[in-house]
Amino acid sequence: EPEVTQTPSHQVTQMGQEVILRCVPISNHLYFYWYRQILGQKVEFLVSFYNNEISEKSEIFDDQFSVERPDGSNFTLKIRSTKLEDSAMYFCASSGTGVQPQHFGDGTRLSIL
Amino acid sequence: GENVEQHPSTLSVQEGDSAVIKCTYSDSASNYFPWYKQELGKGPQLIIDIRSNVGEKKDQRIAVTLNKTAKHFSLHITETQPEDSAVYFCAASKDFGNEKLTFGTGTRLTIIP
Repeated sequence: EPEVTQTPSHQVTQMGQEVILRCVPISNHLYFYWYRQILGQKVEFLVSFYNNEISEKSEIFDDQFSVERPDGSNFTLKIRSTKLEDSAMYFCASSGTGVQPQHFGDGTRLSIL
Repeated sequence: GENVEQHPSTLSVQEGDSAVIKCTYSDSASNYFPWYKQELGKGPQLIIDIRSNVGEKKDQRIAVTLNKTAKHFSLHITETQPEDSAVYFCAASKDFGNEKLTFGTGTRLTIIP
């Protein structure tokens, strides 16, 4: 069964550095999402992306964050000037057109030191 | 915006018994309600979903009910097995798959052998 893959599984970064989290969505999907989950809390929406542009973003997704689909297969989340509170699990999801639900990857655990 | 409440936060049941998890939502425009199962170290995995034009949906031991008037929906797991132990999240969105999901706070289900 096709799945969403995310790399790396764990990223440790010094505060103030930039990180790029990578995702390969399911190949025929057209809608892409990033969510995050702070330890012990609910999964929160960050941003959705369709047709090479952001469809919607949450209050969390400020100028520190950006997304990109650099080629036909990858979908990335860039976090600039990381802060301690950016430490969380970041999940990528994708969905197809019509009646298809969102499928999630296994996440990247981001630890900011 | 949408707010999803989920109860209980933890639930322990004897193997073979039934488990029920309940969610309420605030936005009457929401019309799609998926349930995700999250195992340790994994991303959320869709287990069942329901749209607002349906009151109940069943898939083997798992069922979901929706009361649109009261804005609540529930997950029912019958004949529970040890492999059902996980964290379960309900979610709501305004469209099937292509809109952001608003998640509940999660229920940690433990099946006691």
